[in-house]
Amino acid sequence: DGGITQSPKYLFRKEGQNVTLSCEQNLNHDAMYWYRQDPGQGLRLIYYSQIVNDFQKGDIAEGYSVSREKKESFPLTVTSAQKNPTAFYLCASSIAGQDGELFFGEGSRLTVL
Amino acid sequence: GENVEQHPSTLSVQEGDSAVIKCTYSDSASNYFPWYKQELGKRPQLIIDIRSNVGEKKDQRIAVTLNKTAKHFSLHITETQPEDSAVYFCAASMRGGGNKLTFGTGTQLKVEL
Repeated sequence: DGGITQSPKYLFRKEGQNVTLSCEQNLNHDAMYWYRQDPGQGLRLIYYSQIVNDFQKGDIAEGYSVSREKKESFPLTVTSAQKNPTAFYLCASSIAGQDGELFFGEGSRLTVL
Repeated sequence: GENVEQHPSTLSVQEGDSAVIKCTYSDSASNYFPWYKQELGKRPQLIIDIRSNVGEKKDQRIAVTLNKTAKHFSLHITETQPEDSAVYFCAASMRGGGNKLTFGTGTQLKVEL
């Protein structure tokens, strides 16, 4: 069953702790993305990667880091430097090099206590 | 960078009526405009998209129109049904391609019986 899987679905962390959100896809897509969704603000791009071992900052990259060591995987680390980390995080993938459909995961809801 | 404004933020219609959601964008270089539907608790899914060389596109009860001169595009849903109730996001491609999208803030559509 092809698709994009995010884990965990819900995550609680204390302030000051780093946390890593997992994103795996078996769609053979080269491009992967991380978006943050907050009520009333739509989806905002955090980081994106067009190919393995390469990634670029999106609009709100401060306080986040990513890696792209494998084509299938694009984990996002929310660091203690992120001032307001509580949010819903969506990972997506697509065919690289062209505008087209984004395939989203089911999201991870992070709550920082 | 690109800025996308979406209106209205909430929309309530009677079943069978039409619904229209409007978006404006700022970057004249944007050339790809998708619409995503997000049902409660689910992932966003592409419902229709349009490219800048086309003025209108239709898929059954859903249509999108694009006015490049005025830099606005709209989603039209006819004969609305309860299952159309969801949050709808418009988006525009960012300058530089690579399928990087700027999303609008979303419209909560409620179709009442």
